[in-house]
Amino acid sequence: NAGVMQNPRHLVRRRGQEARLRCSPMKGHSHVYWYRQLPEEGLKFMVYLQKENIIDESGMPKERFSAEFPKEGPSILRIQQVVRGDSAAYFCASSYQDTQYFGPGTRLTVL
Amino acid sequence: GESVGLHLPTLSVQEGDNSIINCAYSNSASDYFIWYKQESGKGPQFIIDIRSNMDKRQGQRVTVLLNKTVKHLSLQIAATQPGDSAVYFCAELNAGGTSYGKLTFGQGTILTVHP
Repeated sequence: NAGVMQNPRHLVRRRGQEARLRCSPMKGHSHVYWYRQLPEEGLKFMVYLQKENIIDESGMPKERFSAEFPKEGPSILRIQQVVRGDSAAYFCASSYQDTQYFGPGTRLTVL
Repeated sequence: GESVGLHLPTLSVQEGDNSIINCAYSNSASDYFIWYKQESGKGPQFIIDIRSNMDKRQGQRVTVLLNKTVKHLSLQIAATQPGDSAVYFCAELNAGGTSYGKLTFGQGTILTVHP
């Protein structure tokens, strides 16, 4: 069984551009979570989604960030007008019940 | 506020020794705890979990202990191997009776195993 897949693995953007990060959950998992990790730190929760619904977005900045998990296709984390402070590793996790399994992450670098 | 923290940010052991990684949590309402291992450049890898109605759980070479009285969690790794070298995170879930929700992660402990 394939694990959680994320792409791209590395993404470079200039300030002001948009970043789109994709996550395909494990087969049979309908719960998707996005986390952000800064260097030398733990993961910080951003958003929790089920198919077509945002359940908890308490960790996501109110501006420039959005997430979706459509009925068909991967979950997307979108960052508009990126700034240098957005540089981080973004991890997606999926679950069937309570155990969350993580993908390899997307490392975003903003120049 | 909710927080999960670790007592020791780094731990160095010799191959074959047992390792103990500690974690303190502050949210007494948390009902599920997970240990993850993260190698450089990779995503967190599930190691073992434990529910709040348990105080011990064993896996292959790993044991998790939960002490709810002092809100303490530990991960024991038996016969530590060089491949165990990584950053270890504890995480807690306060699901409010459901099985889903955000994980709160600790800062991480760097485990280095010397051959």
